[in-house]
Amino acid sequence: DGGITQSPKYLFRKEGQNVTLSCEQNLNHDAMYWYRQDPGQGLRLIYYSQIVNDFQKGDIAEGYSVSREKKESFPLTVTSAQKNPTAFYLCASSPRRSGQETQYFGPGTRLLVL
Amino acid sequence: GESVGLHLPTLSVQEGDNSIINCAYSNSASDYFIWYKQESGKGPQFIIDIRSNMDKRQGQRVTVLLNKTVKHLSLQIAATQPGDSAVYFCAESAQGAQKLVFGQGTRLTINP
Repeated sequence: DGGITQSPKYLFRKEGQNVTLSCEQNLNHDAMYWYRQDPGQGLRLIYYSQIVNDFQKGDIAEGYSVSREKKESFPLTVTSAQKNPTAFYLCASSPRRSGQETQYFGPGTRLLVL
Repeated sequence: GESVGLHLPTLSVQEGDNSIINCAYSNSASDYFIWYKQESGKGPQFIIDIRSNMDKRQGQRVTVLLNKTVKHLSLQIAATQPGDSAVYFCAESAQGAQKLVFGQGTRLTINP
């Protein structure tokens, strides 16, 4: 059963805490992306990776970090430096490294601050 | 900093009617366009895409029209059904770009 999985579905963060969101794909896609979505708004790009061991900042990378140690995995850490982390986080992947490819999305993780 | 949340543009249609969702883009270098459907609490789903060497592309019950002269993209949904209720996003990318740029989205609601 191929696809993109994100876990957990809901995540609660205490003030000052770092939390890590998981994203895994078994589609053998080269590129992976993280987006943030706030209520009533579109998707904003946090980080993306086109190849293992390489990643690039998106439009709103401050307060976030990523790693790409394996082709199938692209975890996102929301650090304590991100002062307003409450949002819906979406991971996506695309077959090749070009931005002109269909991106396939996971089900999302909703992050809430306690 | 964070922008204040904006209300999404909303389109209300009668069940069975055709829906037309519009998207304007500003980058004249954009040559790849894609439409996504997002149901509440879920990730976006691919609907249809089009490249700039075409001005129309059809799928199952959906048609995308591209007018490069006025930088306008539209998604037409035929015989709209209750299951079509969702937020629809357009996205664009220019040759050589490494990412898609997403629009704000339009909420489609279906009246019975």
